[in-house]
Amino acid sequence: AQSVTQPDIHITVSEGASLELRCNYSYGATPYLFWYVQSPGQGLQLLLKYFSGDTLVQGIKGFEAEFKRSQSSFNLRKPSVHWSDAAEYFCAVGANAGNMLTFGGGTRLMVKP
Amino acid sequence: DVKVTQSSRYLVKRTGEKVFLECVQDMDHENMFWYRQDPGLGLRLIYFSYDVKMKEKGDIPEGYSVSREKKERFSLILESASTNQTSMYLCASSSGTGAPYSNQPQHFGDGTRLSIL
Repeated sequence: AQSVTQPDIHITVSEGASLELRCNYSYGATPYLFWYVQSPGQGLQLLLKYFSGDTLVQGIKGFEAEFKRSQSSFNLRKPSVHWSDAAEYFCAVGANAGNMLTFGGGTRLMVKP
Repeated sequence: DVKVTQSSRYLVKRTGEKVFLECVQDMDHENMFWYRQDPGLGLRLIYFSYDVKMKEKGDIPEGYSVSREKKERFSLILESASTNQTSMYLCASSSGTGAPYSNQPQHFGDGTRLSIL
């Protein structure tokens, strides 16, 4: 069965600084990978997804993620963080068709003025 | 845009009560899901449904049941609520025929924060 680890429970960055959120997965073949964001009091919104092809994926709100098979990672990045990016971020992995998504424990991002 | 609507944002119930959480989606999606979200544990799948009247257990189905009588509506039922079911509950839907395909993005409602006293 697949699993997802987000090693950082909390991260604080200054507004305008760059951001990288880590995600490591465990699965024997090429997984389907997702990043979701959850603003306070709301549901999850899809930021980006990776299925195949180019390992650098662009998403909404200026986010990107890079799939690195050798490291079993799918880290989320943003070059310049805005105060509105403060939220909780979830990485998720799906395997073959018919299998469900497995979510990581989430990383809560705080942005300092 | 896909709209997934959960009937209540906040709900307070008593131990032993039968609790219904309702979810409606407006995009004619085949697949619907119920998760619970707890701090540090991320989202855990309770049940999912890939067609009307069809349901499959997720990772933590104990103490829950579901109902899908119409394509757009998926209900989560706590048969006899207990304090350890206090949590945030999220409903989601996705497209794809047959069994749910994990390469289809799931669209989430805003969640129901349920407290069992």
